Amino acid sequence: ETGVTQTPRHLVMGMTNKKSLKCEQHLGHNAMYWYKQSAKKPLELMFVYNFKEQTENNSVPSRFSPECPNSSHLFLHLHTLQPEDSALYLCASSQGDTDSDGYTFGSGTRLTVV
Amino acid sequence: KNEVEQSPQNLTAQEGEFITINCSYSVGISALHWLQQHPGGGIVSLFMLSSGKKKHGRLIATINIQEKHSSLHITASHPRDSAVYICAVDNTDKLIFGTGTRLQVFP
Repeated sequence: ETGVTQTPRHLVMGMTNKKSLKCEQHLGHNAMYWYKQSAKKPLELMFVYNFKEQTENNSVPSRFSPECPNSSHLFLHLHTLQPEDSALYLCASSQGDTDSDGYTFGSGTRLTVV
Repeated sequence: KNEVEQSPQNLTAQEGEFITINCSYSVGISALHWLQQHPGGGIVSLFMLSSGKKKHGRLIATINIQEKHSSLHITASHPRDSAVYICAVDNTDKLIFGTGTRLQVFP
């Protein structure tokens, strides 16, 4: 366990379903991130939250909707996804400043859209 | 061309061998990270460095800021080191990732 917990680990959903990914950290970090990792591609930043405020939305389609109710929890709400959205979704947290020890990643949610 | 390039893409080694993975970047950075991703998908942060060299157990990471290059070395490699090693750079508070180096160490 890294200190960042993601659930579920695996998710299969139909294109008309609505589901949510959850990320939780109790490291006292102020920044939380969603990344997408598709096969044979580098990780792509999707969203950044700093002190619960969204500071980055990396041109992500509106079918992905993040929510950060507090600095320990981050959600990614999914609806009407496409098969090409199948990927590993990784959550990470950091202290949010340049003096931090770096990033802590969760184990990811492997999403398959059918 | 990616802003972060890693080489090699794939690497196989015999147990005990000394391994080097390279990372070159073309943007200004505040720090560089080496990450390890196991087959299950989870990512572990190995090093964050902005200058010089860091060592942790059998792992050594170096960075040359002038040449925009970093290396990750594994001494006395072991099958449990088999994983994907990812280089990422901190650029204007965003991480930019390389595509990773897949390492397989055979007994």
